[in-house]
Amino acid sequence: EVQLVESGGGLVQPGGSLRLSCAASGFTFSRSWMTWVRQAPGKGLEWVASIKEDGSEKYYVDSVKGRFTISRDNAKNSVYLQMNSLRAEDTAVYYCARQDHSSLDVWGKGTTVTVSP
Amino acid sequence: AIQLTQSPASLSASVGDRVSITCRASQAISSTFAWYQQKPGKAPKLLIYDVSSLEGGVPSRFSGSGSGTDFTLTISSLQPEDFATYYCQQSNSYPLTFGGGTRVEIK
Repeated sequence: EVQLVESGGGLVQPGGSLRLSCAASGFTFSRSWMTWVRQAPGKGLEWVASIKEDGSEKYYVDSVKGRFTISRDNAKNSVYLQMNSLRAEDTAVYYCARQDHSSLDVWGKGTTVTVSP
Repeated sequence: AIQLTQSPASLSASVGDRVSITCRASQAISSTFAWYQQKPGKAPKLLIYDVSSLEGGVPSRFSGSGSGTDFTLTISSLQPEDFATYYCQQSNSYPLTFGGGTRVEIK
C-alpha cells in the first residue's frame, strides 16, 4: 500500500524550532519528488516546499525562505522539514505529498504545528 | 507567482445536480493542472491531473477541462459523498499554487 506518515508536530513557542518527518512506503521513494503543503485553521491549502528525487533541487514559498529547510534521506525513505524561527502564522496542519509532474498524487494524513506562547 | 482564482467560493446544490467550478490563472499555463477534493479533517484527495485525466478510483461523474488560463471541474450528477471543498492547483512553475477553494454544500 502506498503510504505517507507524518510526525513531529506539536506546540512550540514563537521563535522556536521543530523538525517534521514523513515516512514513505509502498513506492520507489528515491524516484519521487516530494512536497510539503500546509493548511492554517479554517484556511485553504498552501504549498510550502518541494525537493527533487536526489535532493539536488529545492524550492520554497517566499514566506518560509531562510527559515525552513526541506531535506530527504532516500536510504530511510523519508523527507523532512526543519522549521526554525517559527511564527504564529506558521500554525497549520502540515501535509507531506508525493509530487508527480503535474499533481500531488499521494498525501499523508498530516501533522499539526501550533506556534503559541 | 501564478495566481489561481476559483469561483464560486461556495455553492449550494442538490443531489443529482450538475455542478461546475472554475479556476482562472493569472497567466497561461501548460497542462500541469490538477483538482483536489477535501473533506473536513481529512487530507486532500487528487481527482483530476493533467487538466482532464481522471485519477484511478475516482468516479466518472468528475471531469476536468480547459486550457490557457481557464479551467473547469464538472460533477455531472452530485452525490451525497461529493459535498466537500474543492481546490485547483498548478505545477507549471514554482511556487506551486492552489486556488482559494470552493465549498460545495447541501441545498
